Amino acid sequence: AQSVTQLGSHVSVSEGALVLLRCNYSSSVPPYLFWYVQYPNQGLQLLLKYTTGATLVKGINGFEAEFNKSQTSFHLRKPSVHISDTAEYFCAVSEPWGGATNKLIFGTGTLLAVQP
Amino acid sequence: DTEVTQTPKHLVMGMTNKKSLKCEQHMGHRAMYWYKQKAKKPPELMFVYSYEKLSINESVPSRFSPECPNSSLLNLHLHALQPEDSALYLCASSQTPGADGYTFGSGTRLTVV
Repeated sequence: AQSVTQLGSHVSVSEGALVLLRCNYSSSVPPYLFWYVQYPNQGLQLLLKYTTGATLVKGINGFEAEFNKSQTSFHLRKPSVHISDTAEYFCAVSEPWGGATNKLIFGTGTLLAVQP
Repeated sequence: DTEVTQTPKHLVMGMTNKKSLKCEQHMGHRAMYWYKQKAKKPPELMFVYSYEKLSINESVPSRFSPECPNSSLLNLHLHALQPEDSALYLCASSQTPGADGYTFGSGTRLTVV
């Protein structure tokens, strides 16, 4: 069964700093990988995704992530964060063969707090 | 239209009440999902509908009853809930098998009193 591990439940950085949020997956074959952001009292918004092809993927709001098959990782980073990036970030995986058993499974989440 | 719309946004219900949550999408997605999210926790999958048929029930108590009347609508019927069922209920949709991502609604904040 696939699973997702996010290291660090809470990350605090200063505005303008580089931030790296870690995600590792466990799956027998490379799954589809996603990063979602959740602002307080809101639903989830897709930041970026990896399915196939180029391992560095760029998303919205200046975020990017790199798929590393050998390390089974999909870490999220942003070179210079803004206070408005303060939110909960979830890494998620789904099986590429999908179909009727399609599931999106979430990691435990990382709360990013950007300080002025 | 690239949204998933959930109504109501907030709901307070007693333990003997019957209520329903509604979810609607017009993106032509053929898979729809219900997730439950407790505070400071990730969303937990409850149900998956694929082509309007229930394909996954994650051992959810029968006091939660999903319904998919057509390819654009997903309902969650609630009856005899417990206070511990208070949570944010999120609806999502996707193409199958979901390589384009899953689009989430803004959720219904449910409080059971």
